[in-house]
Amino acid sequence: GENVEQHPSTLSVQEGDSAVIKCTYSDSASNYFPWYKQELGKRPQLIIDIRSNVGEKKDQRIAVTLNKTAKHFSLHITETQPEDSAVYFCESTGGGNKLTFGTGTQLKVEL
Amino acid sequence: GAVVSQHPSRVICKSGTSVKIECRSLDFQATTMFWYRQFPKQSLMLMATSNEGSKATYEQGVEKDKFLINHASLTLSTLTVTSAHPEDSSFYICSASGVLSTDTQYFGPGTRLTVL
Repeated sequence: GENVEQHPSTLSVQEGDSAVIKCTYSDSASNYFPWYKQELGKRPQLIIDIRSNVGEKKDQRIAVTLNKTAKHFSLHITETQPEDSAVYFCESTGGGNKLTFGTGTQLKVEL
Repeated sequence: GAVVSQHPSRVICKSGTSVKIECRSLDFQATTMFWYRQFPKQSLMLMATSNEGSKATYEQGVEKDKFLINHASLTLSTLTVTSAHPEDSSFYICSASGVLSTDTQYFGPGTRLTVL
């Protein structure tokens, strides 16, 4: 089955700096890669996603890059703000529409 | 985005009892619904995928007789935890999407289950 690894598990940045979270996946048939933000005790919220036919997607301060050859995709948050503090999960949809989440990254944006 | 509700938000029950959790898509027809379990500070673990009108597909290691899933309509799926035990205590989250799992998933707010 699909194996998704997410790094780092915790990330602390200063307000205004950039944050990068990376996920690697194992299933070459995977074709959909969303990123979710989850605040404590709340539901995951989709923040950005990318499909296998593109290499990069950007939405204001958030961007996702995909390297299909190397089987990894990354979340980039620029000009971080305290409200960006949350747990971020990547997800990979593999062959047979198999969904697998990464282990999560606790992002803390410090003033 | 689409709205998914979940009920109840919290439930406390005695060991051995059964608990039913409802997941509703309020403003769209959800062909597919997913059920997840999340332990504190851990990732979401997919338990099962249900398609309207057919039997749910359970992930490896998830007991289908213990976690009964019904997806009788395009707006409602239920998860029943039968004969609950303390180790079943967890945060259960549903999500709804269209035909493919590559369609955007909309998550419910989750249900905190505590089994005494």
